[in-house]
Amino acid sequence: AQSVSQHNHHVILSEAASLELGCNYSYGGTVNLFWYVQYPGQHLQLLLKYFSGDPLVKGIKGFEAEFIKSKFSFNLRKPSVQWSDTAEYFCAVNANSGNTPLVFGKGTRLSVIA
Amino acid sequence: DTAVSQTPKYLVTQMGNDKSIKCEQNLGHDTMYWYKQDSKKFLKIMFSYNNKELIINETVPNRFSPKSPDKAHLNLHINSLELGDSAVYFCASSYLGQGNYGYTFGSGTRLTVV
Repeated sequence: AQSVSQHNHHVILSEAASLELGCNYSYGGTVNLFWYVQYPGQHLQLLLKYFSGDPLVKGIKGFEAEFIKSKFSFNLRKPSVQWSDTAEYFCAVNANSGNTPLVFGKGTRLSVIA
Repeated sequence: DTAVSQTPKYLVTQMGNDKSIKCEQNLGHDTMYWYKQDSKKFLKIMFSYNNKELIINETVPNRFSPKSPDKAHLNLHINSLELGDSAVYFCASSYLGQGNYGYTFGSGTRLTVV
């Protein structure tokens, strides 16, 4: 079964700082990887995803993530955060076949301060 | 046009009551899910239905009973509510077998048991 670890529980950054949120997964086969964002009081929205091809994927709102297969990692990055990026960020994985449900990490809360 | 809609958005009820949460998707997806998000924001799969058939049933108390009248609807009925059932319940949908597609989530139902 798949599992996902997000190393940072709560990250506090000043506006314009660079962001990197860690995500490692555990699964023996080929996977699809996702980052979702949950703004306060809202539902989950897809930021970006990787399933094949270029391991550096770009998503919405200036976010990107890099899949490093040898490290089983899919870290999320943004060069310059804004106050509006304050949210909960979830890494998720499922088997490439799509026949297994999305398994989520425990989330990282990002607080961006002015 | 809301892609995945859940009702109600908020639900406050007393211990021991029975309640239902409804979910509908208009995306033409063939698979729907219920996730529970606890107070620490951890998201855990509860159930999944594909074309009205139950395909995933995680370790969830028998008091929880999902029902899918058709592939566009997945309802969740909870009997004899307990304090520990307080959480946000998210419905989601996707195409089974297209794991790279990701899920579309509803806006959640915040259940508070008092």
